[in-house]
Amino acid sequence: ILNVEQSPQSLHVQEGDSTNFTCSFPSSNFYALHWYRWETAKSPEALFVMTLNGDEKKKGRISATLNTKEGYSYLYIKGSQPEDSATYLCASTNTGGFKTIFGAGTRLFVKA
Amino acid sequence: NAGVTQTPKFRVLKTGQSMTLLCAQDMNHEYMYWYRQDPGMGLRLIHYSVGEGTTAKGEVPDGYNVSRLKKQNFLLGLESAAPSQTSVYFCASSTRTSGRSLSYEQYFGPGTRLTVT
Repeated sequence: ILNVEQSPQSLHVQEGDSTNFTCSFPSSNFYALHWYRWETAKSPEALFVMTLNGDEKKKGRISATLNTKEGYSYLYIKGSQPEDSATYLCASTNTGGFKTIFGAGTRLFVKA
Repeated sequence: NAGVTQTPKFRVLKTGQSMTLLCAQDMNHEYMYWYRQDPGMGLRLIHYSVGEGTTAKGEVPDGYNVSRLKKQNFLLGLESAAPSQTSVYFCASSTRTSGRSLSYEQYFGPGTRLTVT
């Protein structure tokens, strides 16, 4: 069983601030790392999937990096906007089975 | 496409009652999953299926059963509901390519809020 941890649990920023979150996961038997965005009263929606060490993905103002050797991923948001307020989930899948383990998420609040 | 749908959206059960949650997807995905979401604990995998007629246990399978009789449907059953099963239940599906399905994103349903009194 994987243990995926995210920090911080919650984060309050002002509109325009740039911010980042951390996801740590066991590096052994790693297969893929997922980031999801989860707005209140909605379903999680995929942001990125990364599989290779050193992968970097970008979608608009949001980007993510992956370090599989040390077992961490960063999610960056540049120039936060109120509509970025959501919970950001990290999930890791290992090669041992068809299971994806989710972290508890980072809850982001962006104040206008 | 409707994507992933779940029924019902809300349900209140008394301890000991049974019910079935239905998940349906119209994307022809091979893999389907049931998660529960509790405050501060993220999403925990209950059961999953890698294809029609196959199911497997996840992290927290006790008290639940599942069936995948048709590729598009994944049912989650509670035979004797307990207050500890009060939660929000999410179904998800994903697709397989060259046996490496888990590099692909999961598509989630809207969730079912279940309260057991």
